[in-house]
Amino acid sequence: QVQLQESGPGLVKPSETLSLTCSVSDGSITTYYWNWIRQSPGKALEWIGYVHHSGRASYNPSLTNRVTMSVDTPKNQFSLRLTSLTAADTAVYYCARWGEVTGIKAFDMWGQGTIVTVSS
Amino acid sequence: EIVLTQSPSTLSLSPGERATLSCRASQRVTSSALAWYQQKPGQAPRLLIYGASSRAAGAPDRFSGSGSGTDFTLTISRLEPEDSAVYFCQQFGGSPLTFGGGTKVEI
Repeated sequence: QVQLQESGPGLVKPSETLSLTCSVSDGSITTYYWNWIRQSPGKALEWIGYVHHSGRASYNPSLTNRVTMSVDTPKNQFSLRLTSLTAADTAVYYCARWGEVTGIKAFDMWGQGTIVTVSS
Repeated sequence: EIVLTQSPSTLSLSPGERATLSCRASQRVTSSALAWYQQKPGQAPRLLIYGASSRAAGAPDRFSGSGSGTDFTLTISRLEPEDSAVYFCQQFGGSPLTFGGGTKVEI
């Protein structure tokens, strides 16, 4: 069964840029759409966006001017870049797979999540 | 943006009882675009139901989904202690994809 694993800094300063990477354990990076989702403390989930190995990407309009996602196919990884951070970006960040290719129109696989705190 | 409102916010029940969780959308959502997730403390969400009523692999058969249009329901037929969790609905029929605020089930 495929596993997803997020990696990146746990602490970032305000106004700086967050870079996270999600490693996909098998070779399916070219098959699916890959997503980032975050969850602020005690709050609901917020979809950040998705990226495909073809370069196609779509972002939440609330974040689109600060977000960039990319896929590194040889490394079986995809990445999130979020600029101009504020305390409101403090959250657990999850990477997740959109399973539509197999008929499952939902997030069928998730990483364990990585906590990101924005603080000086 | 389609807003998903879940109710109740907290549901306290006993083992063996039936739980009914509601997810109401601010606009019509096609059934194929509605999913439910379970999240336990310190864990990532886990897919339970997709397409409003299709059970995901590994989801126990006591979990079922139903509904259409703007009103969707997740039912847990006979609660087990391990069902204590927060349950989220999610839609992708409108852009952006959105999640509900969650219902906490306490057993």
